[in-house]
Amino acid sequence: DTGVSQNPRHKITKRGQNVTFRCDPISEHNRLYWYRQTLGQGPEFLTYFQNEAQLEKSRLLSDRFSAERPKGSFSTLEIQRTEQGDSAMYLCASSRVAGSYNEQFFGPGTRLTVL
Amino acid sequence: AQSVTQPDIHITVSEGASLELRCNYSYGATPYLFWYVQSPGQGLQLLLKYFSGDTLVQGIKGFEAEFKRSQSSFNLRKPSVHWSDAAEYFCAVGAVTGGFKTIFGAGTRLFVKA
Repeated sequence: DTGVSQNPRHKITKRGQNVTFRCDPISEHNRLYWYRQTLGQGPEFLTYFQNEAQLEKSRLLSDRFSAERPKGSFSTLEIQRTEQGDSAMYLCASSRVAGSYNEQFFGPGTRLTVL
Repeated sequence: AQSVTQPDIHITVSEGASLELRCNYSYGATPYLFWYVQSPGQGLQLLLKYFSGDTLVQGIKGFEAEFKRSQSSFNLRKPSVHWSDAAEYFCAVGAVTGGFKTIFGAGTRLFVKA
């Protein structure tokens, strides 16, 4: 399968614990995005990378959230001291860098439940 | 600021009937527009996209959408709905500034009755 993959698909944790999600983009894609989708809403942009550089972060990304893409390939999203409000689907997407706008391909998401 | 509005939270149509899902956007330049579908527990699947050219865009699964600049709309249509079309549909605009992030509407849930 050559699509975007995310692990784990589901994560249940207790409030206050740390969690980490992984995203593996399509191999030739330079840009990688993280989105958060809460129940009944569309996905909201969190952050994006071009290669290993994190170029933009949404105000939704509090200081408890950190994302990395150390070698410009896979990315991790860590949430520290989770809160119940962090419960959501976390989506990863990737795209090529070429000219103007390029279509983003989405992974299946990681559903986080904070108890 | 860029935004996308989907006025209908949910819509119910009979199988075989036609479908139109509404989408209005706010964007300062020529928009890149998308419709995605999301089934329960699944990721987002791209139905169709508009970048430029012909304002009537054909997509997968028999869907089409029409870009109307004067109305800032990009409505999704299908002439005959199948039960398998029941899902959540998201309209989105691609923002050219700041890394080309995608801005989504809140979605429209489609129910199909037999």
